[in-house]
Amino acid sequence: DQQVKQNSPSLSVQEGRISILNCDYTNSMFDYFLWYKKYPAEGPTFLISISSIKDKNEDGRFTVFLNKSAKHLSLHIVPSQPGDSAVYFCAASAVRTNAGKSTFGDGTTLTVKP
Amino acid sequence: GAGVSQSPSNKVTEKGKDVELRCDPISGHTALYWYRQSLGQGLEFLIYFQGNSAPDKSGLPSDRFSAERTGGSVSTLTIQRTQQEDSAVYLCASSLEERQPQHFGDGTRLSIL
Repeated sequence: DQQVKQNSPSLSVQEGRISILNCDYTNSMFDYFLWYKKYPAEGPTFLISISSIKDKNEDGRFTVFLNKSAKHLSLHIVPSQPGDSAVYFCAASAVRTNAGKSTFGDGTTLTVKP
Repeated sequence: GAGVSQSPSNKVTEKGKDVELRCDPISGHTALYWYRQSLGQGLEFLIYFQGNSAPDKSGLPSDRFSAERTGGSVSTLTIQRTQQEDSAVYLCASSLEERQPQHFGDGTRLSIL
């Protein structure tokens, strides 16, 4: 049973437009969520996180939204740039019960076209 | 550099051989994680170490897999009697504390012939 799902394997957007990447989870114990970005042949790099006590966190062009009732989070990138083209992983952890262990989705490949 | 370092970057070995993968975490980071990423898949949790606590080994797929962390710093992931299904990229990450974002190395690409 996959507890963190990214149902879109790929997404293509035009430069300057908004990119929206989605993530669904099933474990109601998850209370901390992160997005990582991964370029080919490199390890993932942390992008942005959100705690379950919030419903929105913003950092520059990146905003993460959390809908706890729907067990859904999304990452918005505005405006999208060609350098944003990468694989984006959603991750979740149950900090209160199992602090260190993060569960990752399978990733969404974002392509931003110039 | 100051990031997480993994070696080797690539490893090709024959089925049945043992392999050791090394991870040098960021200095001062108390938490260290190992993940595996098979082709087209997400990151599969293997094991994590936090300070002097007993490691969480719940993700290790079989008893052929083991890991240790010496002196609270360098970690070695060992796979005994490798099988073809062990072929994957093995990623190591560390974090300042267990509730912090993780910093990843570039991984070891393991290929079992």
